[in-house]
Amino acid sequence: ETGVTQSPTHLIKTRGQQVTLRCSSQSGHNTVSWYQQALGQGPQFIFQYYREEENGRGNFPPRFSGLQFPNYSSELNVNALELDDSALYLCASSLRDTNTEAFFGQGTRLTVV
Amino acid sequence: AQSVAQPEDQVNVAEGNPLTVKCTYSVSGNPYLFWYVQYPNRGLQFLLKYITGDNLVKGSYGFEAEFNKSQTSFHLKKPSALVSDSALYFCAVRDISGGKLIFGQGTELSVKP
Repeated sequence: ETGVTQSPTHLIKTRGQQVTLRCSSQSGHNTVSWYQQALGQGPQFIFQYYREEENGRGNFPPRFSGLQFPNYSSELNVNALELDDSALYLCASSLRDTNTEAFFGQGTRLTVV
Repeated sequence: AQSVAQPEDQVNVAEGNPLTVKCTYSVSGNPYLFWYVQYPNRGLQFLLKYITGDNLVKGSYGFEAEFNKSQTSFHLKKPSALVSDSALYFCAVRDISGGKLIFGQGTELSVKP
């Protein structure tokens, strides 16, 4: 098991609502990335945070936003939820500017009804 | 643009036989390549990586991968498959600009007794 933890593990929300997902990084890691994995697909990069600032963003609308805290933990916020937002959301922590691998949490399964 | 392709959606192998899961990549510059495994309803677990050096990379659980620059491939291999190896396998390349991972679509490995 990695040292990356995500909460909650499962979540059901109604279309139009807002959701916050949380991630605790592996000790010593300073970078957090978020990925969306739809059923039957590979993970898609949402954005990355380093030193509490967004440091790269994938092809996701502005209603997907995030935060990184001084302890390197992170939140993913999604506003105005749509049915297509139903997916497994994965958090990955890593050490910037090194060749070390990213470690993933177990994911949050979000279902939008 | 950088990309990764996993040409097989599913690979079926008998227990004890060798297995290969294929991956090809397209990058500008030197590739940083990774293999991850995902068990049902779980996050991604790191198996191995190629950064530089020997073309044959050894990883966790007896897995290895062969980097072939001329064929732009990074196939995952194991000499003797176990039923417990049955899972979803993802190949990924690290984007040179920001460190995000670009994943293939995944290959489902099924090992039968």
